[in-house]
Amino acid sequence: GAVVSQHPSWVICKSGTSVKIECRSLDFQATTMFWYRQFPKQSLMLMATSNEGSKATYEQGVEKDKFLINHASLTLSTLTVTSAHPEDSSFYICSARFLRTSRGGETQYFGPGTRLLVL
Amino acid sequence: DAKTTQPPSMDCAEGRAANLPCNHSTISGNEYVYWYRQIHSQGPQYIIHGLKNNETNEMASLIITEDRKSSTLILPHATLRDTAVYYCIVVGSWGKFQFGAGTQVVVTP
Repeated sequence: GAVVSQHPSWVICKSGTSVKIECRSLDFQATTMFWYRQFPKQSLMLMATSNEGSKATYEQGVEKDKFLINHASLTLSTLTVTSAHPEDSSFYICSARFLRTSRGGETQYFGPGTRLLVL
Repeated sequence: DAKTTQPPSMDCAEGRAANLPCNHSTISGNEYVYWYRQIHSQGPQYIIHGLKNNETNEMASLIITEDRKSSTLILPHATLRDTAVYYCIVVGSWGKFQFGAGTQVVVTP
């Protein structure tokens, strides 16, 4: 299957600092990528949809000024958590949409996730 | 997008087949059934997806009922490495994935 990478895999930062997470599709181009957040013992929650060359669309309740998303190329989307606070500590996961032409439908391939701890 | 219902947990013996059910009674005609799994502290892994017909790949088989209101994911020979949370997601083309609680599958020796 297609490969999606994330960097860094984990990060610890002080409260008030900003953290940037990169999501790359390594062997395919993705016009659309997604960012999810997962708290302990909970399921994945979609935060936003990132479209190459245009503004991201955010899910209800997600602060777009706090979670800045940039999708500048067909293989890279970045999520910046601005002025991070302890409540932003979570597991952040990206995915990239892969269009299947042979069998129809599409597939999202997920990155390995980035664990953020804000002290 | 249609909602899905899955049992919260299942145990399976190593080497045996694991049959994971999913109910999606409100599925509409253009919505696909997707299965993903998430091993602890990793990103979800794609397993299989289908629209109407049964599907099989190197990982699993997907059986979709004729009325499409339910489906079963079959892991033919479960191994310890199949221990994970399995998610059934129903979504149309260009739709957003909504993850439910999934089924925690524990494969025991």
